[in-house]
Parts: sequence; structure tokens; C-alpha cells
Amino acid sequence: DADVTQTPRNRITKTGKRIMLECSQTKGHDRMYWYRQDPGLGLRLIYYSFDVKDINKGEISDGYSVSRQAQAKFSLSLESAIPNQTALYFCATSDDHGLAGTTDTQYFGPGTRLTVL
Amino acid sequence: DAKTTQPTSMDCAEGRAANLPCNHSTISGNEYVYWYRQIHSQGPQYIIHGLKNNETNEMASLIITEDRKSSTLILPHATLRDTAVYYCITRSYNTDKLIFGTGTRLQVFP
Repeated sequence: DADVTQTPRNRITKTGKRIMLECSQTKGHDRMYWYRQDPGLGLRLIYYSFDVKDINKGEISDGYSVSRQAQAKFSLSLESAIPNQTALYFCATSDDHGLAGTTDTQYFGPGTRLTVL
Repeated sequence: DAKTTQPTSMDCAEGRAANLPCNHSTISGNEYVYWYRQIHSQGPQYIIHGLKNNETNEMASLIITEDRKSSTLILPHATLRDTAVYYCITRSYNTDKLIFGTGTRLQVFP
């Protein structure tokens, strides 16, 4: 979905390096999410944010940090990358639930393929 | 959120209906059933969701059993572009966490 963009799309890095993955959205949604996907598996939630002042840990937040710089931007950082963080990373956004006309659907970006050597 | 069980893979001939089952026997009263699909490592795409009643949109139909313990996603006329992994997810309306399982890999063949 072109309304949710992720940069970079592919990244190869070395163990111990600091990496930032960026996500931007033009959907005007307050809620944003970071997931990772390992080969053959479903997605697992890393962090999520209900608005710029509200950030929450997901299932697998260890080794990651996030920053919500604005409503439209949500960055994921790996402070010191390790090989088992090699995965496909997805950003997603959603409507505020409970508001009339919202479906509580999540819209995903195209993903960032990260390889840590 | 309730756990879901789906077949690992299914095949469907192009032009035929694809019926993808999902069991969610521990679903609670306030949990919705959502379906997403993922085409070859792209970002997952929302398809449809429902609570109790059957639902239909331009992509698919969702049939939920009366006891809500299972559901079926129906793609009425499958095309080759429908080849993807389909995820059945249950979630409460007051949470934002999607718990993805391993899904069903649907292969549509000519």
C-alpha cells in the first residue's frame, strides 16, 4: 500500500552496528506498529504506538527501540544488531477503533529485508 | 485472543471457489474474526472481518458458524493472483494486537 512507506527496503549490516528502519504514512492514522517475520512463520509484534505520546512493547521488544517522531512517522532501531535479528520487518497503521466509520483494519507497508552478518 | 487453526496448504483451480477453513474453538464473545493475506513476502493485506453475521465485500465472503467456533473464507472465483498465504486471526475489538499464526498457503493453478 503506497500510503505506508518503509525505508530502506533492503539492508545488509554487520553484527554490532546500529540500524534504524523508518516508516511513514499518509493515511492520517494515529496507531502504528512494527512487526517482524521470520521465514515460514507469521508476523510477531515488536512495538506499537497509539499516538505520539503512547508507545507500548509487543511480544518481542528485547533488542529493539522505537521513536514516534510525529503522527506520520514511526522508527525502529536496533541498537546493536545481531544475526538472529535477520528478518523481514513490516510497519503497519490502523484507524482509531471505536470511532464511527473505522474498521480497525491494519494497513501494512512493503517491508524491509534486514540481514545481519 | 483465541488461537486459530488452519490447514497448512490448499490448492484451487483457477475460476473455482476457494474455501479456506479456520477453527477458533476458544473464541470469546467480544472477539472478531479477521482474515488477511500475504502475497510472496509483501505486506499483509486486509480481506474481511466479522463478529457473528456472515459478511461479504468485493474481495471475499466470510461465513461464521452459529456457535462461532469456526469460519470459512470464500474467494468466489479464484485467480492466479490469489495465490498467497491466508491468515485467520481473532482479536478483541479493544486491543490492537494481531496475533498471526502460520496461515494457509493457497496455490491457485491454471
